[in-house]
Amino acid sequence: RKEVEQDPGPFNVPEGATVAFNCTYSNSASQSFFWYRQDCRKEPKLLMSVYSSGNEDGRFTAQLNRASQYISLLIRDSKLSDSATYLCVVLTDKLIFGTGTRLQVFP
Amino acid sequence: DVKVTQSSRYLVKRTGEKVFLECVQDMDHENMFWYRQDPGLGLRLIYFSYDVKMKEKGDIPEGYSVSREKKERFSLILESASTNQTSMYLCASIQGGRGYTFGSGTRLTVV
Repeated sequence: RKEVEQDPGPFNVPEGATVAFNCTYSNSASQSFFWYRQDCRKEPKLLMSVYSSGNEDGRFTAQLNRASQYISLLIRDSKLSDSATYLCVVLTDKLIFGTGTRLQVFP
Repeated sequence: DVKVTQSSRYLVKRTGEKVFLECVQDMDHENMFWYRQDPGLGLRLIYFSYDVKMKEKGDIPEGYSVSREKKERFSLILESASTNQTSMYLCASIQGGRGYTFGSGTRLTVV
């Protein structure tokens, strides 16, 4: 079983839609959690950290469920510019990256 | 903002060549990392370093070595390049427990 698992997608959604990605992790001792965004042929960039109480940054909401060992990312009012791959990242003794979920927002 | 600079964006090398990938960060970070990214496999850790002259193997160190002679510079070395090392190579830097900052990547093709 992979340490961090994500649905690879692609998720194809119209502008304005709400879309959610889930990610599961296997190590219950994981300490910190992040979502990264990666555009085609570019490096990953930190989108947001994920806190136990859940956190929001504009149209983006991240949630953590330690009991079930999953994290989620919700994007509201999708924009064309949100099209990218979203990487779930978990910190144990090192950062473990999921393989990413591809999002394509269409007009 | 932290800047992590990788010396080459695209590189083409021949099988058997010795290849150097350079990474420099400008924020005095102690921790630096080399990953490779392949379709369907995600990012995999090759080597990392917590300080000058210190190095630790990651998940896939075979065929690679590293050098950290100065704090700001972390080099990845392919001793004898092979076609299965064709990949996107990403250097990253971190201070504390926050997320990494990545360089823009080097797309290496070994022919």
